[in-house]
Amino acid sequence: ETGVTQTPRHLVMGMTNKKSLKCEQHLGHNAMYWYKQSAKKPLELMFVYSLEERVENNSVPSRFSPECPNSSHLFLHLHTLQPEDSALYLCASSHEYNSPLHFGNGTRLTVT
Amino acid sequence: QQPVQSPQAVILREGEDAVINCSSSKALYSVHWYRQKHGEAPVFLMILLKGGEQKGHDKISASFNEKKQQSSLYLTASQLSYSGTYFCGTGNSGGSNYKLTFGKGTLLTVNP
Repeated sequence: ETGVTQTPRHLVMGMTNKKSLKCEQHLGHNAMYWYKQSAKKPLELMFVYSLEERVENNSVPSRFSPECPNSSHLFLHLHTLQPEDSALYLCASSHEYNSPLHFGNGTRLTVT
Repeated sequence: QQPVQSPQAVILREGEDAVINCSSSKALYSVHWYRQKHGEAPVFLMILLKGGEQKGHDKISASFNEKKQQSSLYLTASQLSYSGTYFCGTGNSGGSNYKLTFGKGTLLTVNP
């Protein structure tokens, strides 16, 4: 149990579908993150929320839309994705400074 | 700019030692180390901050060399459970987790 729970664990979607990834943490952290992990590439930060306000958006295409309704929940809404978006999407949470990131187990996304 | 990790992969026999390096082209403020086993979430190992400190727990330790802009992770008397991919994440100013960038990872395999 990592303290950060992601659902679903696996997702297969067509390019015209709309789906959402969910992340939940009950560690009392004030920051939540979405990372993309592709084979042979470093972890790529997509979005950061601090106290439900978006503080970082690393030039992510608009087909990815985050939502943070409260400090414990984070969503990533997906629509009209491309095959190159297939990857492992990791959610993490932490305090803001000099503190460990706690990762969820990720959602393995395949876009067909 | 992402840090560079070396080696990319290493294979050990149980009981052997290994060193994994993480180098940055910019001045370092903080270095995070994580281990990820296949199909699992990355797990936090340790954080080192500017000041050249060394940290460790059990048989895993790390150093921070400010002048070389490098951190090294030391695994001594390796155990089968040490197998996985090791990532460093570097912060270049202020200690904010929002600015971490990760290396591509080092795949460590420990054989009996």
